[in-house]
Amino acid sequence: AQSVTQLGSHVSVSEGALVLLRCNYSSSVPPYLFWYVQYPNQGLQLLLKYTTGATLVKGINGFEAEFKKSETSFHLTKPSAHMSDAAEYFCAVSGSSTLTFGKGTMLLVSP
Amino acid sequence: GAGVSQSPSNKVTEKGKDVELRCDPISGHTALYWYRQSLGQGLEFLIYFQGNSAPDKSGLPSDRFSAERTGGSVSTLTIQRTQQEDSAVYLCASSSSWAGEIYGYTFGSGTRLTVV
Repeated sequence: AQSVTQLGSHVSVSEGALVLLRCNYSSSVPPYLFWYVQYPNQGLQLLLKYTTGATLVKGINGFEAEFKKSETSFHLTKPSAHMSDAAEYFCAVSGSSTLTFGKGTMLLVSP
Repeated sequence: GAGVSQSPSNKVTEKGKDVELRCDPISGHTALYWYRQSLGQGLEFLIYFQGNSAPDKSGLPSDRFSAERTGGSVSTLTIQRTQQEDSAVYLCASSSSWAGEIYGYTFGSGTRLTVV
C-alpha cells in the first residue's frame, strides 16, 4: 500500500522568502508523485508531477520539486513566496489504480 | 465539457435525509474518481470508475454511500440517511483511461455538504 506524509499542517513564510513544503512517501513500487494546490472554494489544480527521468521537476507558478529515492521524499520549493501562493498544498503518490493524498499543508504568506 | 463540473456547489441537508451529488467529467475521460475532503483529514478515496469495468468501491465508508455512472459519463454519488459526520467537501476528478496514475487527475470544484 502507498502512503504520504506531509510534515506540518501549516507553514508560514514572509513574502519573498523561500517556500519549503515537505512530503515523504511510502510505496512498494517505483512511484509517480504529484503536488496539487487548492485555493479557497476551488478544486485541486496540478502543480507538477514526477514520473520518470529527471528527478528535479518544474511546475507552474515557479514551483519545483526534487525526487529523492534514498530519502523517499518529494519536497516542494519556491525561491520567493508571493502573496498569491497562499493556499493548501497536497502531495500524492500513485497506487494500483488511484492516487493517495497526504493531509495537506496550508501555506500562509505574510507581507 | 472543458472541465469537471460538479453540482450543487453547496448543499445543506437535515440529518436523516438522502442527498445526491452530481459529477460531469471531461468529455472523453473514461476514468472518474470520488474523494471526500474533511477538515484536517486530507483527501479520502471513495470510489473509482474505469470505463465499463466494475467500479472500485473499496473506499466507501458505509453502505449508506453508493455511486453510479450512467453511459460512461455523468456520475451520481448518493448518501442515504445522512449523518453529521458526512459533512465534508466531496470532490470528483476524471482522467483519460489509465493515465490518471501517470499524468494526474483533473478535479472539479467540489460539493460542500453540510448536515444539520
